[in-house]
Amino acid sequence: DAKTTQPNSMESNEEEPVHLPCNHSTISGTDYIHWYRQLPSQGPEYVIHGLTSNVNNRMASLAIAEDRKSSTLILHRATLRDAAVYYCIPRVDSSYKLIFGSGTRLLVRP
Amino acid sequence: DGGITQSPKYLFRKEGQNVTLSCEQNLNHDAMYWYRQDPGQGLRLIYYSQIVNDFQKGDIAEGYSVSREKKESFPLTVTSAQKNPTAFYLCASSKTQGVVSSGANVLTFGAGSRLTVL
Repeated sequence: DAKTTQPNSMESNEEEPVHLPCNHSTISGTDYIHWYRQLPSQGPEYVIHGLTSNVNNRMASLAIAEDRKSSTLILHRATLRDAAVYYCIPRVDSSYKLIFGSGTRLLVRP
Repeated sequence: DGGITQSPKYLFRKEGQNVTLSCEQNLNHDAMYWYRQDPGQGLRLIYYSQIVNDFQKGDIAEGYSVSREKKESFPLTVTSAQKNPTAFYLCASSKTQGVVSSGANVLTFGAGSRLTVL
């Protein structure tokens, strides 16, 4: 399984963009990169995923480095409701197992 | 509305007792999963099932058992053999077809069951 490295915590001001980094230097060419987030005392929720190209959806954007050894989740305007733990998860091709690390705890200041 | 229902939300157990956590989904998903989360930690995979009547061990299956007799249901039994069962347990489900065709394994999680051993 590809190993990931994320900062333990990050802080942001409300209404400002947030860039959450993830290193996955052992990722293989067919591993998709997933991002999930977990609000306090809730189950995680899917945010976004990608393989090689940058991806956008209504929740966030995902920027994937050209060598795929790192990616960045971008929240364009952080709100207080975005305060959560964000998990970066490379998925091994054809596997149904998603391995969650410790993630990054995002604090959003009003 | 479609989703995953876990019950009970809170459960207390005496040492030596088996307990069963319920997980029901009405999303018509083929795959279902059980994860365990300890305070301040990430999720660890206990068991997962890709199809009815079939399931595989995850990374921490010892002391747990599951069954998958129906597509909608994937109950988890925490047995007395699990030495440290106090944790937050999360059930999830996903479409299997999407994993192969699009590469995305989009899991939908339940609200969780918090088990405390007294």
